[in-house]
Amino acid sequence: GEDVEQSLFLSVREGDSSVINCTYTDSSSTYLYWYKQEPGAGLQLLTYIFSNMDMKQDQRLTVLLNKKDKHLSLRIADTQTGDSAIYFCAESRSTGRRALTFGSGTRLQVQP
Amino acid sequence: DTGVSQNPRHKITKRGQNVTFRCDPISEHNRLYWYRQTLGQGPEFLTYFQNEAQLEKSRLLSDRFSAERPKGSFSTLEIQRTEQGDSAMYLCASSSGEGEAFFGQGTRLTVV
Repeated sequence: GEDVEQSLFLSVREGDSSVINCTYTDSSSTYLYWYKQEPGAGLQLLTYIFSNMDMKQDQRLTVLLNKKDKHLSLRIADTQTGDSAIYFCAESRSTGRRALTFGSGTRLQVQP
Repeated sequence: DTGVSQNPRHKITKRGQNVTFRCDPISEHNRLYWYRQTLGQGPEFLTYFQNEAQLEKSRLLSDRFSAERPKGSFSTLEIQRTEQGDSAMYLCASSSGEGEAFFGQGTRLTVV
């Protein structure tokens, strides 16, 4: 079955770069996503990448995809205290099952 | 456009009661999803609509759960005979096609 795994926790200092990693098992994955969730709130879509891409950059965010290893990462440059949140990796297909499958989330703590 | 709207934001109910949640997706989004999220976990897929048709249901969606999207716009999720294990955040998301799926703020259900 489909599975998405993430490490549970990451702590960085303000101004450093953060790298959050994710692995997935479904070779049929078409889209891979990063969502941010702050306490008590819904999920905010940060960025997504199509499976035929290997990199996408959007301001402070860089997504890298290694399709061979089924590994996705999110790099946040110049991490700020406002970036403290839980980050979820998710994947979906363009045919068949359309729903997103999420990992359990990585809690990012940014220390001043 | 105000994004995906969910009501109520919070619901406390006694075990055995029925509850209904509403989701208003982003205008013109033909796809609507319901997810459930428990503490420390990522969202788990419940069901998916394309327009008014319910195309996918998770095995998590027991016969006490029912969802509708009568005119292909807003959707409701009803839980009958609630149990303490139903306590969770219920999230709705919508999309216009492949790629971006936007989430609402969720409805937090507490069954006492």
